Amino acid sequence: DTAVSQTPKYLVTQMGNDKSIKCEQNLGHDTMYWYKQDSKKFLKIMFSYNNKELIINETVPNRFSPKSPDKAHLNLHINSLELGDSAVYFCASSPGTGGGSYGYTFGSGTRLTVV
Amino acid sequence: KQEVTQIPAALSVPEGENLVLNCSFTDSAIYNLQWFRQDPGKGLTSLLLIQSSQREQTSGRLNASLDKSSGRSTLYIAASQPGDSATYLCAVSFSGGGNKLTFGTGTQLKVEL
Repeated sequence: DTAVSQTPKYLVTQMGNDKSIKCEQNLGHDTMYWYKQDSKKFLKIMFSYNNKELIINETVPNRFSPKSPDKAHLNLHINSLELGDSAVYFCASSPGTGGGSYGYTFGSGTRLTVV
Repeated sequence: KQEVTQIPAALSVPEGENLVLNCSFTDSAIYNLQWFRQDPGKGLTSLLLIQSSQREQTSGRLNASLDKSSGRSTLYIAASQPGDSATYLCAVSFSGGGNKLTFGTGTQLKVEL
């Protein structure tokens, strides 16, 4: 199936741990994103990569480090997890960026709970 | 500051009713506006994408309009069904924003039998 897929779907971990979330898209899109949905259901962008190059870093703590090994993959590594990191993290992709008018396709989300 | 606002925050209607969800944005310089649906505990499903040069888009019982000059979009749902119950999110790609989406806070819709 063509899609944006992310793993794991659920992640429960203790404070101070380091964890990673993986994302893959097989849509042939050039741009991938990480969004965070907080407890009030508000969605906000964290990062954007275009062809493996970071183009948006929306004042996210440097404990969050995205990595894009190729344009089909964008992973999110989080160091020293804090209670406030608990949220749903969505991966998304779009055909392009910067001056284009491109729609998004979202993954199904990773619900991270820090205890 | 580029912001997106959605009203109402919640809406409950009887089945069969036509309804309108509202979205407003603070800057008329946009690339596009996209309406999404989110079911509880699920991801986002794209419903309609309106480019900045377009006035409306239609898909089945859904019709979305765009008025850039007034900074408004509406999502019209005809003949609502219980299966339409979900949170509807409006998201805007503002010009110069690198195609990032700025989301509204959503309208939680419940269609009752």
